[in-house]
Amino acid sequence: EAGVTQFPSHSVIEKGQTVTLRCDPISGHDNLYWYRRVMGKEIKFLLHFVKESKQDESGMPNNRFLAERTGGTYSTLKVQPAELEDSGVYFCASSDRASSSYEQYFGPGTRLTVT
Amino acid sequence: RKEVEQDPGPFNVPEGATVAFNCTYSNSASQSFFWYRQDCRKEPKLLMSVYSSGNEDGRFTAQLNRASQYISLLIRDSKLSDSATYLCVVNINDMRFGAGTRLTVKP
Repeated sequence: EAGVTQFPSHSVIEKGQTVTLRCDPISGHDNLYWYRRVMGKEIKFLLHFVKESKQDESGMPNNRFLAERTGGTYSTLKVQPAELEDSGVYFCASSDRASSSYEQYFGPGTRLTVT
Repeated sequence: RKEVEQDPGPFNVPEGATVAFNCTYSNSASQSFFWYRQDCRKEPKLLMSVYSSGNEDGRFTAQLNRASQYISLLIRDSKLSDSATYLCVVNINDMRFGAGTRLTVKP
């Protein structure tokens, strides 16, 4: 069974540019989560999709971040315009259970560097 | 105060040693608890869930004390392959991560 995949693995952009990260969850997993780890800090929750609906987006830092999951399959996270403090590793995770009390399977992450 | 606090380490131990990691959490409404393992530049992977009664999986033992809001992980007979960062994770409505404790097991 294929795991969670993320693309790209690494992105280097200039401040003010736009970047779109993609996550493909494990097939059949309705629940998809985005997390971020900035340098020296802990991993932080960004948002949670159940199928195509945003269940919880309380962790989204500001309106420069837009997440979508059209059709309830893969998801994108767009940062526009990117700022220096957006640099970090963005993880996607998926689960076949509605509650985050259950195991989440993480993708390898996208390392974003904003210069 | 951080929601989930861990000793950052690093812990450097010889093969065969027993090592214990501690974690405290601030929100008494926390519902479920986990230890994840993260290898360098890799994704976190679930090591084990933590139950109130304590649970064991081979060389790994996890304990939870809800009254003290404290979680622990004990690794016995450390192997070189145990070298990683161990993340304490607490679920409230979403997953809250500790910053991790780095372990290096040396020959």
